[in-house]
Amino acid sequence: EVHLVESGGGLVQPGGSLRLSCAASGFTFSDPYMDWVRQAPGKGLEWVGRIKNKAGGYTTQYAASVTGRFIISRDDSKNSLYLQMNSLTIEDTAVYYCTRSWLHFNDYWGQGALVSVSS
Amino acid sequence: IQLTQSPSSLSPSVGDRVTITCRASQGVSSSYLAWYQQKPGQPPKLLISAASALQSGVPSRFSGSGSGTDFTLTVSSLQPEDFATYYCQYIDTYPITFGQGTRLEI
Repeated sequence: EVHLVESGGGLVQPGGSLRLSCAASGFTFSDPYMDWVRQAPGKGLEWVGRIKNKAGGYTTQYAASVTGRFIISRDDSKNSLYLQMNSLTIEDTAVYYCTRSWLHFNDYWGQGALVSVSS
Repeated sequence: IQLTQSPSSLSPSVGDRVTITCRASQGVSSSYLAWYQQKPGQPPKLLISAASALQSGVPSRFSGSGSGTDFTLTVSSLQPEDFATYYCQYIDTYPITFGQGTRLEI
């Protein structure tokens, strides 16, 4: 059974940094692309970024709102996905979901990690 | 690509036929159009991929159709557990985009 479990969320001050992790199990983690999607309180879904697999050169893509501040990485040997978030602003407050990108859709999602940016 | 869903919210009754529309800002490939259901406090759940392919375990009362710029998600007979928010998604180009959501509320 596929499981994605996010960790590392919490309260951080504006301008601060936070690193989210996503532990994957139940599938060959090195195969698929992986995405981060976030959801601000009471708002809709916003794609944050993607990291491709080894065959894709581990290429990353980001939403304009986080480009230059967020970095996605993965460690296939640890079945783990990461989201390094820097220069956080209040607008980054959201639940962050780790999700597997399979073919042309996101088929499995974690339960999410809450990131609150506040002074 | 921008996706615009309509309506933004709906208050149907159990047993109603419900149709949600997702309009793309330009013609897109239906192969990359998906629909998700999200209930409060839960992550999104994939319902339909490639505009019309029902995912395993999803009730057959859900269906998807469309091409070009206009896509629809239909629930043929709404059940109590279907009250949720629904999102369309286009995943072919960057940035990957979601519609703003359609909330079905009691």
